[in-house]
Amino acid sequence: EPEVTQTPSHQVTQMGQEVILRCVPISNHLYFYWYRQILGQKVEFLVSFYNNEISEKSEIFDDQFSVERPDGSNFTLKIRSTKLEDSAMYFCASNLGQGVYGYTFGSGTRLTVV
Amino acid sequence: AQKVTQAQTEISVVEKEDVTLDCVYETRDTTYYLFWYKQPPSGELVFLIRRNSFDEQNEISGRYSWNFQKSTSSFNFTITASQVVDSAVYFCALSEAEGSQGNLIFGKGTKLSVKP
Repeated sequence: EPEVTQTPSHQVTQMGQEVILRCVPISNHLYFYWYRQILGQKVEFLVSFYNNEISEKSEIFDDQFSVERPDGSNFTLKIRSTKLEDSAMYFCASNLGQGVYGYTFGSGTRLTVV
Repeated sequence: AQKVTQAQTEISVVEKEDVTLDCVYETRDTTYYLFWYKQPPSGELVFLIRRNSFDEQNEISGRYSWNFQKSTSSFNFTITASQVVDSAVYFCALSEAEGSQGNLIFGKGTKLSVKP
């Protein structure tokens, strides 16, 4: 069964450093998403991406965040200058159509900012 | 505005008991989709079910069943004869078909502990 792949599974970074979280969505999916889950809390929407541009973003997704689909397969989330409160599990997801079909989530990247 | 409420923060049961996880949602859309996900201790999100707003038929899959009631805006999840492996956090989620790109709105989750 096709799956969404995320790397790395765990990343530790110093406060103020830039991090790039990587995702390979399912190849025929059209919509791509990043979600965040602070430890012990609910999963929160960050951004959706369609047709090579951001289609929607939440209040969390401020200027420190950016997304890219550089080569038609990878989908990346960059955090420019990490803060302690960015520590969370970051999930990538992809979807064939806007909610009509099921969302497939990756297994997540646990980001720890120290 | 859309919202998903899972009022039960934690539930603890003994193996073989039945347990129902509640989910109440709010949306102005007439077309929307409801989901349940399981998050085991390992952290990944495991898809359990998707329901669209036009399909109010209840569904059963093995020990799992779902009760969708539009009249009360609820989409409850029942596990029959629970097992220790069912221990996880369960999230209910909503996706609106109109006015958004289909992003999921999650509830806060219900942590289920099944004791042997």
